[in-house]
Amino acid sequence: DAKTTQPPSMDCAEGRAANLPCNHSTISGNEYVYWYRQIHSQGPQYIIHGLKNNETNEMASLIITEDRKSSTLILPHATLRDTAVYYCIVRVAYDTGNQFYFGTGTSLTVIP
Amino acid sequence: ETGVTQTPRHLVMGMTNKKSLKCEQHLGHNAMYWYKQSAKKPLELMFVYSLEERVENNSVPSRFSPECPNSSHLFLHLHTLQPEDSALYLCASSQEGGTGFQPQHFGDGTRLSIL
Repeated sequence: DAKTTQPPSMDCAEGRAANLPCNHSTISGNEYVYWYRQIHSQGPQYIIHGLKNNETNEMASLIITEDRKSSTLILPHATLRDTAVYYCIVRVAYDTGNQFYFGTGTSLTVIP
Repeated sequence: ETGVTQTPRHLVMGMTNKKSLKCEQHLGHNAMYWYKQSAKKPLELMFVYSLEERVENNSVPSRFSPECPNSSHLFLHLHTLQPEDSALYLCASSQEGGTGFQPQHFGDGTRLSIL
């Protein structure tokens, strides 16, 4: 699977949008982009995924560039509870034997 | 997240002990996973079970022995561990195959400390 590159840490003011970037320049055509987050002392939590179109759900929006080499996770109104490590992952769907490579992620701190 | 339950949450054991970690999923999934998360390191996939058969074993030492008696339960048997095995052990489950994407759901892990 293609690997991803994320900044190690970011800060965001409470109530503002948090924009978390991810580079995946070697992504292949059948690989999806997934985002998970891990709040301290908990297991990773699925946020959103996409292939090439922008996606939105109740938690976040995912913007994927046209060339698919990078993406941005947007938390529209960050709260203190969004403080967590955010992981961007690329993987072929429906491939049980192919692991999710979580990387080191971005540690997001939401500041009051 | 209450769909995947791991017990115990914390475990301290000596290097000569034998213990087991338990994972139970209540989501009707057909695949289960063990991950290891060491401090300052990415999650590492250890084992994958699909339809109760092991499909992945990422060169994990034999002192870790998984068991999947049915699609809802997954165990990790531990024997003669080393201090470097101290980590957070995470279990996950997912529904593989079919149509539509299904994410992996994680438990909150077992924090293991080896004395």
